[in-house]
Amino acid sequence: NAGVTQTPKFQVLKTGQSMTLQCAQDMNHNSMYWYRQDPGMGLRLIYYSASEGTTDKGEVPNGYNVSRLNKREFSLRLESAAPSQTSVYFCASREGPLNTEAFFGQGTRLTVV
Amino acid sequence: AQSVTQPDIHITVSEGASLELRCNYSYGATPYLFWYVQSPGQGLQLLLKYFSGDTLVQGIKGFEAEFKRSQSSFNLRKPSVHWSDAAEYFCAVGSYSSASKIIFGSGTRLSIRP
Repeated sequence: NAGVTQTPKFQVLKTGQSMTLQCAQDMNHNSMYWYRQDPGMGLRLIYYSASEGTTDKGEVPNGYNVSRLNKREFSLRLESAAPSQTSVYFCASREGPLNTEAFFGQGTRLTVV
Repeated sequence: AQSVTQPDIHITVSEGASLELRCNYSYGATPYLFWYVQSPGQGLQLLLKYFSGDTLVQGIKGFEAEFKRSQSSFNLRKPSVHWSDAAEYFCAVGSYSSASKIIFGSGTRLSIRP
């Protein structure tokens, strides 16, 4: 029962370094999401992909890029990490746009020093 | 654009007492609404959802929520809380027009007093 799998679980980066957060789902879901969670601010949508081949900006896209590699995988890239990107990142997926809930991964805790 | 407000940052209730967590949304048409729970260090788990129909929805773990269109609210309730309910609770809203977006509130942290 894998569901939504995120890698890595923890990461420490130096300012200016780049990295890619990986997300894969095995539920044959069409839509996938990246959120960041910061204390007192809840979850904020970074990017989402309504279906394979499409991506759209969410509430806080600056400093990030995404790739919907195939139906299963949706990656988030930080090209030049900044301390403001220290956060917990969650990937989620859902079957379709309507009448379905999102399923979440366990999160990636990223620290940028 | 859709948005969600959870006005209570932190609530403490006694074990066995009733609970109500507030959620107000902003959206121009009929929304679809969710409540999620997050235990420390964990991902998010769906408690319940509202898409249409009956405005009182039942969820897991004895939770329920009522959709009130006139008040733009979707408050979460539980008649008697248990120590294991201590967690953070998030309300979220989706839209039919921007079909895939789900926007979350800032969360309410629930503590249980023994």
